[in-house]
Amino acid sequence: GNSVTQMEGPVTLSEEAFLTINCTYTATGYPSLFWYVQYPGEGLQLLLKATKADDKGSNKGFEATYRKETTSFHLEKGSVQVSDSAVYFCALTDLGGTSYGKLTFGQGTILTVHP
Amino acid sequence: EAGVTQFPSHSVIEKGQTVTLRCDPISGHDNLYWYRRVMGKEIKFLLHFVKESKQDESGMPNNRFLAERTGGTYSTLKVQPAELEDSGVYFCASSQGWRGQETQYFGPGTRLLVL
Repeated sequence: GNSVTQMEGPVTLSEEAFLTINCTYTATGYPSLFWYVQYPGEGLQLLLKATKADDKGSNKGFEATYRKETTSFHLEKGSVQVSDSAVYFCALTDLGGTSYGKLTFGQGTILTVHP
Repeated sequence: EAGVTQFPSHSVIEKGQTVTLRCDPISGHDNLYWYRRVMGKEIKFLLHFVKESKQDESGMPNNRFLAERTGGTYSTLKVQPAELEDSGVYFCASSQGWRGQETQYFGPGTRLLVL
């Protein structure tokens, strides 16, 4: 079946540091890959996505590249801000499965950024 | 445009009682999903509606959980009788489209605690 593995957290960084959150996946079909973010007290919101191999998703200074050869979708940001403190979820949907759109999530990574 | 709303935001009940969660998707979205995050674990898919029909309910834990989406608008998720292990955060999401790549818009979640 499908699965997503994220690096263990929590991650604590100083403002303006470089961020990488690793994400690898296993899928039976043709996955689309997503990063969702949950800010304190809010629901999940889409941060970025990529729907085919070698696509790069980007938003708010965050980037992730869909690497089919390494089955990875690592999230990066060059300079984090305190406002980036949140929980980050890597996820996939697999068009080869029985339910289109069904998201399979990683366990989430808590990011805390200090001034 | 209003986002996905969920009610209640919190619910505390005793083991054996019944609880009904409600989700109002974004107007016009045919797809409605329910997910659950048990504390410390990953967010897991419960089921997927397309309009009023259940497209996939493979994630429903057992027959104590009943989901409905009358008229293809709002959805309810009833837990009867509730058990301790049902505690967690229940998320609802909606999207439009059938390709499985579409962005899912999440509600803020209902935090359920079963004592």
